[in-house]
Amino acid sequence: DAGVTQSPTHLIKTRGQHVTLRCSPISGHKSVSWYQQVLGQGPQFIFQYYEKEERGRGNFPDRFSARQFPNYSSELNVNALLLGDSALYLCASSLNMVGVDQETQYFGPGTRLLVL
Amino acid sequence: KQEVTQIPAALSVPEGENLVLNCSFTDSAIYNLQWFRQDPGKGLTSLLLIQSSQREQTSGRLNASLDKSSGRSTLYIAASQPGDSATYLCAVRIITQGGSEKLVFGKGTKLTVNP
Repeated sequence: DAGVTQSPTHLIKTRGQHVTLRCSPISGHKSVSWYQQVLGQGPQFIFQYYEKEERGRGNFPDRFSARQFPNYSSELNVNALLLGDSALYLCASSLNMVGVDQETQYFGPGTRLLVL
Repeated sequence: KQEVTQIPAALSVPEGENLVLNCSFTDSAIYNLQWFRQDPGKGLTSLLLIQSSQREQTSGRLNASLDKSSGRSTLYIAASQPGDSATYLCAVRIITQGGSEKLVFGKGTKLTVNP
């Protein structure tokens, strides 16, 4: 079985542009989460989606938005890009949302975004 | 607010040495704790997951412990190898007030194992 896949792998944008990042979860997984990892830091939670609904949002501005499709894949959109948005964007999938002690989140390889 | 701290930030050891990486968290209300490995420019690979009710987990040369009451976890790596060189991240899984879940990460420990 394929793991979590993300596209594109790398992306270069200029300030003010918008970007769309894509994630396909492991087959059968219904929960997708997005994280931003700035160089030298740990990943920071952006969104969680479960069964196509937003279930949680981290401390990010409204320029960040996301959605989940009927096949449980997800898109992360960032508008009006700033230099500080340069980071590795990670997608994680898990089978369920909450309440399962053993639940492991599986991460994709990430999309590296550079904003010039 | 949950905060996760990892010490040391970087560690360099000779091949064959046993080593311990430390992780501490401020709020004991966690669902579980995961240790991840991250190679440069890559995504995260889950190494071990310890449920909140467990004290330790083992996988091969890796052993992770959890003391929820004191807010501490350690990752023990036995007989280190150059291939173990990577950044190791600790993360606690918490349930937010809104009912969603998220992982709160530390900044990681960058490990270099010298041949």
